Amino acid sequence: AQTIHQWPVAEIKAVGSPLSLGCTIKGKSSPNLYWYWQATGGTLQQLFYSITVGQVESVVQLNLSASRPKDDQFILSTEKLLLSHSGFYLCAWGGQTSNERLFFGHGTKLSVL
Amino acid sequence: GEKVEQHESTLSVREGDSAVINCTYTDTASSYFPWYKQEAGKSLHFVIDIRSNVDRKQSQRLIVLLDKKAKRFSLHITATQPEDSAIYFCAASLNSNNRIFFGDGTQLVVKP
Repeated sequence: AQTIHQWPVAEIKAVGSPLSLGCTIKGKSSPNLYWYWQATGGTLQQLFYSITVGQVESVVQLNLSASRPKDDQFILSTEKLLLSHSGFYLCAWGGQTSNERLFFGHGTKLSVL
Repeated sequence: GEKVEQHESTLSVREGDSAVINCTYTDTASSYFPWYKQEAGKSLHFVIDIRSNVDRKQSQRLIVLLDKKAKRFSLHITATQPEDSAIYFCAASLNSNNRIFFGDGTQLVVKP
């Protein structure tokens, strides 16, 4: 069975500090990977997607970057956090096309103070 | 680009009644319409989907209807139970890219 593990579960960070969030997918070869951001009680904004190792496409510019160093790993990062980065970050995996259901990780709650 | 609108921001029903959540989309090329459920403080999980080659799909108490002419799709939850209380998100996607567009979510409250 496929599993998705997201880390950390929660982070409290200072404005201007760096950030690294990650997720690992096990049991699925070459999944499409996605990063979503959800403001508190808000809608989901797709940030990045990746269809293969080393290739990441940006959907919106939020002073964040993403990388896929391994087939089963997706990393979200920034060198300098803003207050507006606070929210809930969700990693998800899907099949070879976007016309398949997504499987979400448990999410990371980020508070920037 | 595609825009998905979810018409009810909140919906309150009595236990045992039916709940209907409506969504519209703008891109006629969208061909896949999933629904996700988010319980308080938790992540999203898939509940049901429909593809553009059908207009109705049922899974137990969940029914999804798709009207391609009106570019509208809806989630019907029959015989609601308190554990159905959650935020429900509709989404739409095209097969030609990796963009998946979500509605703003509907907070469903099922009152005992």
